[in-house]
Amino acid sequence: EIVLTQSPGTLSLSPGERATLSCRASQTVSSSYLAWYQQKPGQAPRLLIYGASSRATGIPDRFSGSGSGTDFTLTISRLEPEDFAVYYCQQYGSSPVYSFGQGTKLEIK
Amino acid sequence: QVQLQESGPGLVKPSETLSLTCTVSDVSISRFYWSWIRQPPGKGLEWIAYIYYSGSTNYNPSLKSRVTISVDTSKNQFSLKLSSVTAADTAVYYCARDNPTPRGTPASYFDYWGQGTLVTVSS
Repeated sequence: EIVLTQSPGTLSLSPGERATLSCRASQTVSSSYLAWYQQKPGQAPRLLIYGASSRATGIPDRFSGSGSGTDFTLTISRLEPEDFAVYYCQQYGSSPVYSFGQGTKLEIK
Repeated sequence: QVQLQESGPGLVKPSETLSLTCTVSDVSISRFYWSWIRQPPGKGLEWIAYIYYSGSTNYNPSLKSRVTISVDTSKNQFSLKLSSVTAADTAVYYCARDNPTPRGTPASYFDYWGQGTLVTVSS
């Protein structure tokens, strides 16, 4: 089983700042199979990034994904007020075929 | 716009079976992979199972012995049954869609989600 560990657990930043969120896998994950989601309170997760670096439809270009192997990163270049939320990474492939990281909470400083 | 809507009892007694249905609108349930994912209050996401429109299934090993997923293409719905529930199964349950690749395997990410339904296990 591949375990995804996200860091930091909580990130406190101000609007306009750059956010860097990390997702580390316990085993190699194919870059094709790493996704990122944003979840706001009371809402379902929203797909941001798939294939490690491809933005989903309608996602602003301030969101970008990178990484390979066991280390992946979600970067938000300039935080907008609506970006403060919880972010999850997700892998596909190892049993269970889908698994998620524990999440990073991005909060307003 | 693809829409997914979960439905089912919000309260289930311990040791009983949790049953949920996801109704898919504005797209045929055929050709896609459909999953159930849950989130205990204040916690992270856990994938439960998927079903392909053809009936092919895959389960999370941690839940496999208690889970059944099924699809009804005539109603454009798929369903989840989770048996012998305990308080640990209290969660928001989401249904979600994954796309098939040209090879027919899941594309690996969930592009559409239902709004989620809270199921509480309590006597």
